[in-house]
Amino acid sequence: AQSVTQLDSHVSVSEGTPVLLRCNYSSSYSPSLFWYVQHPNKGLQLLLKYTSAATLVKGINGFEAEFKKSETSFHLTKPSAHMSDAAEYFCVVSSAGGGADGLTFGKGTHLIIQP
Amino acid sequence: NAGVTQTPKFRILKIGQSMTLQCAQDMNHNYMYWYRQDPGMGLKLIYYSVGAGITDKGEVPNGYNVSRSTTEDFPLRLELAAPSQTSVYFCASSRGPETQYFGPGTRLLVL
Repeated sequence: AQSVTQLDSHVSVSEGTPVLLRCNYSSSYSPSLFWYVQHPNKGLQLLLKYTSAATLVKGINGFEAEFKKSETSFHLTKPSAHMSDAAEYFCVVSSAGGGADGLTFGKGTHLIIQP
Repeated sequence: NAGVTQTPKFRILKIGQSMTLQCAQDMNHNYMYWYRQDPGMGLKLIYYSVGAGITDKGEVPNGYNVSRSTTEDFPLRLELAAPSQTSVYFCASSRGPETQYFGPGTRLLVL
């Protein structure tokens, strides 16, 4: 069994300040982990993924995430927020077996950027 | 490449009506998926397919049917629409079972 918890339903930051979106997971296997972004009325876009290579993963648009096995966390960060970052962010875990039905989505974190 | 396309973008149905949500991908992906997204929730898997002619149930398949006659297309059928099926529906595809590419979604309202 696997699960993912996004610790904040809403995060509000000022433009130009750092972003931190928190995600904890549980998995019986060595997981693959993903962050997806969803802009209003759009589909989900892959930001980055961790698949047991380097623990610090760099994604698109300046985002990165660090896999910490001891803390079962995969938090998403960005040094400086931009207005265009305002969106919904989903943390996703996949079982090591990689079955097509093996993705579990978090409930999402709504990122608000204040001007 | 158009990626994953979905039609229609928005639809209103009356209770008991039926409809088909269309999904197509031009990336030659073997895996295709249908999800629903309810407000404040993550995505729930309805059905998936690992190749033409092969489909399987996901977490929330009741009230839906799918078919996969070609690699490109993966339509989702609602036979007797119910208010509980009001949601946003996303189709996705992938080469393997993990990194998925999503369509823009179909908003369905059942009244």
